[in-house]
Amino acid sequence: DAGITQSPRHKVTETGTPVTLRCHQTENHRYMYWYRQDPGHGLRLIHYSYGVKDTDKGEVSDGYSVSRSKTEDFLLTLESATSSQTSVYFCAISGSDTQYFGPGTRLTVL
Amino acid sequence: GENVEQHPSTLSVQEGDSAVIKCTYSDSASNYFPWYKQELGKRPQLIIDIRSNVGEKKDQRIAVTLNKTAKHFSLHITETQPEDSAVYFCAAEDNTDKLIFGTGTRLQVFP
Repeated sequence: DAGITQSPRHKVTETGTPVTLRCHQTENHRYMYWYRQDPGHGLRLIHYSYGVKDTDKGEVSDGYSVSRSKTEDFLLTLESATSSQTSVYFCAISGSDTQYFGPGTRLTVL
Repeated sequence: GENVEQHPSTLSVQEGDSAVIKCTYSDSASNYFPWYKQELGKRPQLIIDIRSNVGEKKDQRIAVTLNKTAKHFSLHITETQPEDSAVYFCAAEDNTDKLIFGTGTRLQVFP
């Protein structure tokens, strides 16, 4: 697997609390992505980054923000978690067009 | 924007038979089409990809075909084995270099 890690791997939180997920890469790839995976919806893009401090919105960005202050780290923040944000979150990296996925974070919002 | 449809949503085959999964896309400018395999509880793993300058690509028991005119591409798995059981996702790269994924096909291979 490409050098991608995600933390935490599992998290249970309560509605209204802030949550930050971290994606870390050792491949020095330019592009990084955050997806959420839900039954019946496949993988949907939340936000992506094409360089340090360069980010843009994806298909399902409402309620999420991101930051990338270093090439190797891409953070996804839920400012005030809601039950609809219960999902599995995958980070991906890419040096060109091929994307490689991290191990995922299972987030449960009660 | 790009839209990708994938069929069937579930597919059951006998071990040794072939399996075919089909995807259609809407943006004629798309030129990169990867396929991912995801086993239960694991990350999606790239298994094969194709670019628009070729019509077919093979890797052992797996092949992908692309018909740009009809805007569809297919994954073919021959001589299926139980370890091929997984969810398979197709994707197409849109004109801003993002991947748009299909909704997945759950393949079950019965011994």
